[in-house]
Amino acid sequence: GAVVSQHPSWVICKSGTSVKIECRSLDFQATTMFWYRQFPKQSLMLMATSNEGSKATYEQGVEKDKFLINHASLTLSTLTVTSAHPEDSSFYICSARDLTGRTGELFFGEGSRLTVL
Amino acid sequence: AQRVTQPEKLLSVFKGAPVELKCNYSYSGSPELFWYVQYSRQRLQLLLRHISRESIKGFTADLNKGETSFHLKKPFAQEEDSAMYYCALLRFGNEKLTFGTGTRLTIIP
Repeated sequence: GAVVSQHPSWVICKSGTSVKIECRSLDFQATTMFWYRQFPKQSLMLMATSNEGSKATYEQGVEKDKFLINHASLTLSTLTVTSAHPEDSSFYICSARDLTGRTGELFFGEGSRLTVL
Repeated sequence: AQRVTQPEKLLSVFKGAPVELKCNYSYSGSPELFWYVQYSRQRLQLLLRHISRESIKGFTADLNKGETSFHLKKPFAQEEDSAMYYCALLRFGNEKLTFGTGTRLTIIP
């Protein structure tokens, strides 16, 4: 099946710094990608929908100035956690739909674990 | 708003015994339902979707609109079935998935 890759898979940063997480669709183009956040032992919460060439749409309660999303190409979306604080520590997961596939299946990245000290 | 409920956070089943992971949803329209699985140290992946009516790795799930349920079943559990299972709902005409809280299934040898 199609592959979605995230980088980095694990990052530690100091409080107040910004961290960028990349999400790439490796063998298909994705006009839309999704960013989720997962707290320990909890479900995936959709943060925002990343739209190629236009602004991301954020879910209620998600600060768009805090979590900057850029979808500059059909294979890359980035999530930047700005001025990170310990409460931003979480597992961030992206997904993308392969519309060229038979089922339009949603594929997930391996996730990126952010720890803010 | 739509909602997906998985009442069991943890489920332990002996190898060879039947497995049923419960999923209930609330949505006024016609949803599309999915089961996703996450094996240890692996990414989330699609297990099955109700519209395909497939049996994957021996698992089946039937959408019951009357009971608004989409329970995942397997007649004989195997050790490799141990994983985290998420039920998810897709609203008609929408690309956003709503996930349940997940059930950690442990198969006891």
